[in-house]
Amino acid sequence: DVKVTQSSRYLVKRTGEKVFLECVQDMDHENMFWYRQDPGLGLRLIYFSYDVKMKEKGDIPEGYSVSREKKERFSLILESASTNQTSMYLCASSSPQLATLTDTQYFGPGTRLTVL
Amino acid sequence: RKEVEQDPGPFNVPEGATVAFNCTYSNSASQSFFWYRQDCRKEPKLLMSVYSSGNEDGRFTAQLNRASQYISLLIRDSKLSDSATYLCVVNNGLHGNTGKLIFGQGTTLQVKP
Repeated sequence: DVKVTQSSRYLVKRTGEKVFLECVQDMDHENMFWYRQDPGLGLRLIYFSYDVKMKEKGDIPEGYSVSREKKERFSLILESASTNQTSMYLCASSSPQLATLTDTQYFGPGTRLTVL
Repeated sequence: RKEVEQDPGPFNVPEGATVAFNCTYSNSASQSFFWYRQDCRKEPKLLMSVYSSGNEDGRFTAQLNRASQYISLLIRDSKLSDSATYLCVVNNGLHGNTGKLIFGQGTTLQVKP
């Protein structure tokens, strides 16, 4: 059974703080993703990674960076948190299927971040 | 224009009703299609893939119309437990094997007793 875990369910930070969100998957998946989800806007992709030390910008990378030093771990970093980064952050992982070019994305439970 | 568009609802239906959701996508090169389900305050989970020939899983039927670029989900005999947000999801095939997906905003379903 695939498991994706995130370091915190709820997090409260102050403006200007550096924030680390950690995601770990136990299925040896190549691909990992970070999304944020906001009411009325749906899921928006921040960054993704298709291999260790590889990263690609998603649709809204500004204000974020990522790190993938090990295959199972993908970290999202807010260098200087701002109030407009208050959101639900979801991590996901998947393994590419050559026949379909995609595969099911498995999500972690999410981290609700509040920036004051 | 959003790449994947859905009516956000909410759709309020009585138990036992049949309800259908549609979703349109803008990229004609899109290759794979899915419906995900997201319960309140939970993470999204794959409900079913959508194949060109249409596919059924119990009370759920998914259809794909490539010519009109829309995807549908039909739920028959609605249960209270079907209350959730249903996300239409598309792989536009632009990122090789990276598995990048495009998510619609979601359609909220409330099934009432």
